Amino acid sequence: AQSVTQLDSQVPVFEEAPVELRCNYSSSVSVYLFWYVQYPNQGLQLLLKYLSGSTLVKGINGFEAEFNKSQTSFHLRKPSVHISDTAEYFCAVSDQTSYDKVIFGPGTSLSVIP
Amino acid sequence: KAGVTQTPRYLIKTRGQQVTLSCSPISGHRSVSWYQQTPGQGLQFLFEYFSETQRNKGNFPGRFSGRQFSNSRSEMNVSTLELGDSALYLCASSYQGGGQPQHFGDGTRLSIL
Repeated sequence: AQSVTQLDSQVPVFEEAPVELRCNYSSSVSVYLFWYVQYPNQGLQLLLKYLSGSTLVKGINGFEAEFNKSQTSFHLRKPSVHISDTAEYFCAVSDQTSYDKVIFGPGTSLSVIP
Repeated sequence: KAGVTQTPRYLIKTRGQQVTLSCSPISGHRSVSWYQQTPGQGLQFLFEYFSETQRNKGNFPGRFSGRQFSNSRSEMNVSTLELGDSALYLCASSYQGGGQPQHFGDGTRLSIL
């Protein structure tokens, strides 16, 4: 069975500073990996996805993530955050070999401080 | 292209009642998944429907049920509501499910009094 761990439940960061949100997963098979963002009173929006190929994935709003198979990690990074990046961020994993459900992590609340 | 539409956006019910929530997926999407989101439990998977068949199911009691119609629209029903059912219920659609990115609606906020 797959699982997703997001080690930091809350991450405060000053505006224009870099940020890294950590995600580790557990799976016995090859996986697809996703990062989603949720703004208050809204559903989740896809930031980026890793399906195959290059391990460095670029997404929307200046975010990028790197897939590290040996460390089973998929950390999200942004070199300079903006106030508007304040939101909840979810890492998710899905089995490549079947149409099994997508497993979401518990989420990381990013607070950007002006 | 219209996004995922969930109705209603807000709902207030009392204990013991039942409720039906609706989800219209993006046109052409055949997979619809439902999630319950609460501050304490986070995002929990309820079930997924694909081509009118329940393909995956989470660990929720039988009071939670769903269905999908031939046009891919989906409904979920919760019977005998309990206070703990208060949550944001999110619907997500994708073309085939599995490893494909999901598109989420804005959810239905259900409050149980």
